[in-house]
Amino acid sequence: ETGVTQSPTHLIKTRGQQVTLRCSSQSGHNTVSWYQQALGQGPQFIFQYYREEENGRGNFPPRFSGLQFPNYSSELNVNALELDDSALYLCASSLGAWNSPLHFGNGTRLTVT
Amino acid sequence: GQQVMQIPQYQHVQEGEDFTTYCNSSTTLSNIQWYKQRPGGHPVFLIQLVKSGEVKKQKRLTFQFGEAKKNSSLHITATQTTDVGTYFCADDRGSTLGRLYFGRGTQLTVWP
Repeated sequence: ETGVTQSPTHLIKTRGQQVTLRCSSQSGHNTVSWYQQALGQGPQFIFQYYREEENGRGNFPPRFSGLQFPNYSSELNVNALELDDSALYLCASSLGAWNSPLHFGNGTRLTVT
Repeated sequence: GQQVMQIPQYQHVQEGEDFTTYCNSSTTLSNIQWYKQRPGGHPVFLIQLVKSGEVKKQKRLTFQFGEAKKNSSLHITATQTTDVGTYFCADDRGSTLGRLYFGRGTQLTVWP
């Protein structure tokens, strides 16, 4: 069974730039969720994708957007980066059913300077 | 709004001692999932609690869901250095989407 993979592992960007993070879901999983984890905090839900459509969104501005592809892989795009966007971005795949546990990738560490 | 509060934020124990982290809410929790995140790693699913008063065990780990579903706990008996990490509880607030609301976590340090 292939786990969740994310790329890149680390990224440094300048304020105002744009970034795209990528995620391949675990085989058999049709739902992908993205979480932001600031240092010393728990993961915060950004949004979820199911069958290529956004299926729920957390309290994040529209400059956070995403995509899911037919093979269930996903992208997270962040425009107009701000210093506070510096965090670990975690992708999690699941079966999309109620109570399905999340399977997280190793994350992308984004630093905005 | 409802928040999942975890205490303590940090816990330092000597190997062999027990450890407990608590997850509390002022409102009724829906379904609790527990995750462990090793330093530099990602959260890994441990267990899910659904029913009021539920108790589940995994070797040295015991998970409980309060009778009123307003708290949950994770107890580790005789900690080992491999238990080091941050333990998170997360509530789904009844979401059918699988969206989770995480607590801030309890960071466990175990020294030999």
